[in-house]
Amino acid sequence: DQQVKQNSPSLSVQEGRISILNCDYTNSMFDYFLWYKKYPAEGPTFLISISSIKDKNEDGRFTVFLNKSAKHLSLHIVPSQPGDSAVYFCAARGNSGNTPLVFGKGTRLSVIA
Amino acid sequence: DVKVTQSSRYLVKRTGEKVFLECVQDMDHENMFWYRQDPGLGLRLIYFSYDVKMKEKGDIPEGYSVSREKKERFSLILESASTNQTSMYLCASRKGPYGYTFGSGTRLTVV
Repeated sequence: DQQVKQNSPSLSVQEGRISILNCDYTNSMFDYFLWYKKYPAEGPTFLISISSIKDKNEDGRFTVFLNKSAKHLSLHIVPSQPGDSAVYFCAARGNSGNTPLVFGKGTRLSVIA
Repeated sequence: DVKVTQSSRYLVKRTGEKVFLECVQDMDHENMFWYRQDPGLGLRLIYFSYDVKMKEKGDIPEGYSVSREKKERFSLILESASTNQTSMYLCASRKGPYGYTFGSGTRLTVV
């Protein structure tokens, strides 16, 4: 059973507009959430994270929002740029510290110039 | 910056061959992981290791084994390669409970 779900396999956005990528989780023991970005033929790179004690974390054009009651997080990219075109993975970590991250299936973002 | 180095970017192997995928990290991280990435299936955990000589099965360990004889090196072994093991293989390392650093990946094709 999928514990981390990214229900949109793909998303297309015009350059300059906002991209919103969504992620839902089922395990209430998750306490830390991360977003990774992956280009073809490369490994994923860390983008931004959020602890369960916060509801928002911002880093430049990237903001992650966490709604614990809905078990939902979202990544906002404003403004979107063509270089943002990639696959974005949502990941979650259990509160026992060393357990492996659980990843969603990813959302392919295409930013159209 | 932490570097995670995977020995090959692209590999082509024949069905039935024993295949070794090597991963080395240079920052004394305790935890190391092997994932495979397939279209529509995301990142699936094969094996992981918390320390030297320790290993734990992930979600899809069948057909794979691992070796961690030194802290910096974590090897993934395909005992007898099959076509359904054609995939992108990703190694990652982590210090303690934080996020991963991934290698560049190995695209393995089994023919």
